[in-house]
Amino acid sequence: AQSVSQHNHHVILSEAASLELGCNYSYGGTVNLFWYVQYPGQHLQLLLKYFSGDPLVKGIKGFEAEFIKSKFSFNLRKPSVQWSDTAEYFCAVNARGNTDKLIFGTGTRLQVFP
Amino acid sequence: SAVISQKPSRDICQRGTSLTIQCQVDSQVTMMFWYRQQPGQSLTLIATANQGSEATYESGFVIDKFPISRPNLTFSTLTVSNMSPEDSSIYLCSVERGLIGNGYTFGSGTRLTVV
Repeated sequence: AQSVSQHNHHVILSEAASLELGCNYSYGGTVNLFWYVQYPGQHLQLLLKYFSGDPLVKGIKGFEAEFIKSKFSFNLRKPSVQWSDTAEYFCAVNARGNTDKLIFGTGTRLQVFP
Repeated sequence: SAVISQKPSRDICQRGTSLTIQCQVDSQVTMMFWYRQQPGQSLTLIATANQGSEATYESGFVIDKFPISRPNLTFSTLTVSNMSPEDSSIYLCSVERGLIGNGYTFGSGTRLTVV
């Protein structure tokens, strides 16, 4: 069965700092990978997804993620964070050819201070 | 992407009672998923609901506690039975639309508080 781990549970940054959130998954087959964001009091929004092709994926709000198959990783990056990026970030994986279910990591709480 | 209407948006319930949460999608979908998000936690998949068959439950979740109906391709319900305060969570339904893995849409959730 697939699983997802996010190593950073709580990240605190100042505005304009660079961000990298780790995500590793365990599954031997082909996967689809996602990053979701949940702003305080709001529901989940899709930031970006990897389905196939270019392993460097660009999403909304200046976020990007790189799929490194050899490392089973899909880290999220942003070169310069803003206060409005304060939110909970969830990595998720769907194991293609196994089931259609989406499994989430434990999440990373990002706090950005002005 | 699909539009999902979920209701109720929130409820406060007495322990020992049951609550049924409804999820309506604006188009036909093969699979619908039910998740739980406990306070300060990530999303945990409860079950996958296909139309015309019994739901498939994840480890730690059972049909007696979380019965699910899927009468057609646009609608599903999740019942939280015999509630206890530990069931206080946000419950979300989700659908996958189009090519497998192409995108998952989530409802706005039902915030349940059991007192």
